[in-house]
Amino acid sequence: GDSVTQMEGPVTLSEEAFLTINCTYTATGYPSLFWYVQYPGEGLQLLLKATKADDKGSNKGFEATYRKETTSFHLEKGSVQVSDSAVYFCALAYGGSQGNLIFGKGTKLSVKP
Amino acid sequence: DTGVSQNPRHKITKRGQNVTFRCDPISEHNRLYWYRQTLGQGPEFLTYFQNEAQLEKSRLLSDRFSAERPKGSFSTLEIQRTEQGDSAMYLCASSLSALAQETQYFGPGTRLLVL
Repeated sequence: GDSVTQMEGPVTLSEEAFLTINCTYTATGYPSLFWYVQYPGEGLQLLLKATKADDKGSNKGFEATYRKETTSFHLEKGSVQVSDSAVYFCALAYGGSQGNLIFGKGTKLSVKP
Repeated sequence: DTGVSQNPRHKITKRGQNVTFRCDPISEHNRLYWYRQTLGQGPEFLTYFQNEAQLEKSRLLSDRFSAERPKGSFSTLEIQRTEQGDSAMYLCASSLSALAQETQYFGPGTRLLVL
């Protein structure tokens, strides 16, 4: 079945460091891909998304490119801030009768000043 | 647009008791989803509604679980005869349509603890 695998956390970085959180997926079709973020004490919110191969999603300095050939959707940011400390979830969805999101386990990021 | 709301935010109950959670989606959102999240895991799909019709249920949704969305507005999730394994965060999400790229907006969740 379809699944999402994320790199194990927690990830601890210093402020202004480069961030990569790896995400790979197994899909029977051609899903849309998402990154959701959960800040401490808050609900899940969409960070970015990409709907087809080679699309790049971006938001708040974060980027991820839908790579069909490597079945990946890695999250990157050039310079992290303390305020980026959160749990990041990679997910896929097909829409229609299979509209539910399939999530990875999440990666906790801590950014130290 | 006030976002997705869920009530209660926290629920502590004793094993064997019934509990009911409520979700109010963003108005005019046709799709409503329920997920369950346990510690250290990503959310897992439970069920979803298209308007008032419940179209899909996960195998995680045992017979003790029931969900409704009367009139296609708010939804309730009831767990009968709760077990300690039901302890989790229950998340509700809504989206405007069934398109694959449609954003799902999540509520803050209801955290259930079964003693």
